Amino acid sequence: SYVLTQPPSVSVAPGQTAKITCGGDNIESENVHWYQQKPGQAPLLVLYDDTYRPSGITERFSGSNSGSTATLTINRVDAGDEADYFCQVWDSKTDHVLFGGGTTLTVL
Amino acid sequence: VQLVESGGTLVQPGGSLRLSCAASGFSVGTNYMGWIRQAPGKGLEWVSLLYAGGYTFYADSMKGRVSISRDNSNNTLHLQLNNLKAEDTAVYYCARYFRNVATHGDYHFDHWGQGTLVTVSS
Repeated sequence: SYVLTQPPSVSVAPGQTAKITCGGDNIESENVHWYQQKPGQAPLLVLYDDTYRPSGITERFSGSNSGSTATLTINRVDAGDEADYFCQVWDSKTDHVLFGGGTTLTVL
Repeated sequence: VQLVESGGTLVQPGGSLRLSCAASGFSVGTNYMGWIRQAPGKGLEWVSLLYAGGYTFYADSMKGRVSISRDNSNNTLHLQLNNLKAEDTAVYYCARYFRNVATHGDYHFDHWGQGTLVTVSS
């Protein structure tokens, strides 16, 4: 079955750029969506279809998808970006929604 | 758009529970809807989908023990959980499964409820 692989954690200093990856077999052929979840809160959609930002999401969030890796990039990171981030795709072979294991972003 | 879950509680192993998700700002009957759960300290796990046309999809981990449905008159989504196990302990979220036709992309969960906690324990 299709598997999405994320690094458990990413750390970055304030003002720097954070890159959170989501690996999957030929993932570039999939539309990848990204969710942010802060402690005690419900997940929030921050990117959909690889690169699109929902209304209200800061331009500091961007995405790319090539080969076997999709990437969520957060520019000029600040403390408010500390959260867990999950990638998600639709597996058309099994008709299942798949989530990556999640990545905890720590702002140093 | 707002989603409010209810029905989560402490239940004994083998027991049953019905979760509800009251929607406002849109119609559950004409949208795709889903349930996602999150065990304590763990990641997100998809549970079920209900398409506007009535098609249903279930995760393998819960297939045969779960049923998704909707009440259009009350604009509410439901999740029936049966034969519950300790490993079903989680916060259960409902969410709208939506697609932006302008991007020609895929469905994604664009609005989420705050979640309801199900604890399975004796």
